[in-house]
Amino acid sequence: GQQLNQSPQSMFIQEGEDVSMNCTSSSIFNTWLWYKQDPGEGPVLLIALYKAGELTSNGRLTAQFGITRKDSFLNISASIPSDVGIYFCAGTNQAGTALIFGKGTTLSVSS
Amino acid sequence: KAGVTQTPRYLIKTRGQQVTLSCSPISGHRSVSWYQQTPGQGLQFLFEYFSETQRNKGNFPGRFSGRQFSNSRSEMNVSTLELGDSALYLCASTFNPTQETQYFGPGTRLLVL
Repeated sequence: GQQLNQSPQSMFIQEGEDVSMNCTSSSIFNTWLWYKQDPGEGPVLLIALYKAGELTSNGRLTAQFGITRKDSFLNISASIPSDVGIYFCAGTNQAGTALIFGKGTTLSVSS
Repeated sequence: KAGVTQTPRYLIKTRGQQVTLSCSPISGHRSVSWYQQTPGQGLQFLFEYFSETQRNKGNFPGRFSGRQFSNSRSEMNVSTLELGDSALYLCASTFNPTQETQYFGPGTRLLVL
C-alpha cells in the first residue's frame, strides 16, 4: 500500500538545537498528523493538521500542512533530552479513511 | 479519562498456533483500528471497526481477523502464526470513523518462535 516518504531517517543533535523533519506524498492528503513513539509504547499524537497551509504549534513543536497538500513538516525548537524518540507522520488521502504512516524519524539528543 | 488499553502487553507463541489480542478504546470512542508495526515495514493498517462492523481492511491475509463488541471493545485474531507475524500490534480509537485523529494504545508485543 501507499506509504509516506519521511526524512531524515535519523538525526543526532545536541541539546538546544532546532530540528526539522518532513513528509511527502505522491497523492493529495486530507489530513496530516504527527506522532511521537517512545520505546515499548504506542504513538502519541503531537499535532493534527486539517487544512492546506495550516500552521499549528504545540509548545516547542510546530507543524505545517503543505500548500500542495502533498507534504508536511515538523519543527522542534530548543531540543531537550526527553525529545528522544521516533517521530511519525501520518495522514489520510482521498482514497479512504485508513491512516497511512511514514517510516519514522529517530531523534537522538545528546546533552 | 482512561486511554486505550491493550491486553496482553507481551505474548510468545510458536508457529502454527493462533492468538487473540484485546483492545478497549477510550470511553465514548466507537471506532477501533488495528495496526501492525515491524522494523522493516513500519506501521501497517490491518482493519477498522465501527458499530461492530468492519469498515475498512488493509492488505493482510485472511489469517488476520477481528471483531468488535457492542461496548466497542475489539479483538483481533491471528491464526496459523508465522515467524513473520512477530510484531507490535497497535490499537487506536476515535469517536467516529470520520475523525482522523486516532489515539493509540501501548500495543501488544507478539513474538512467534
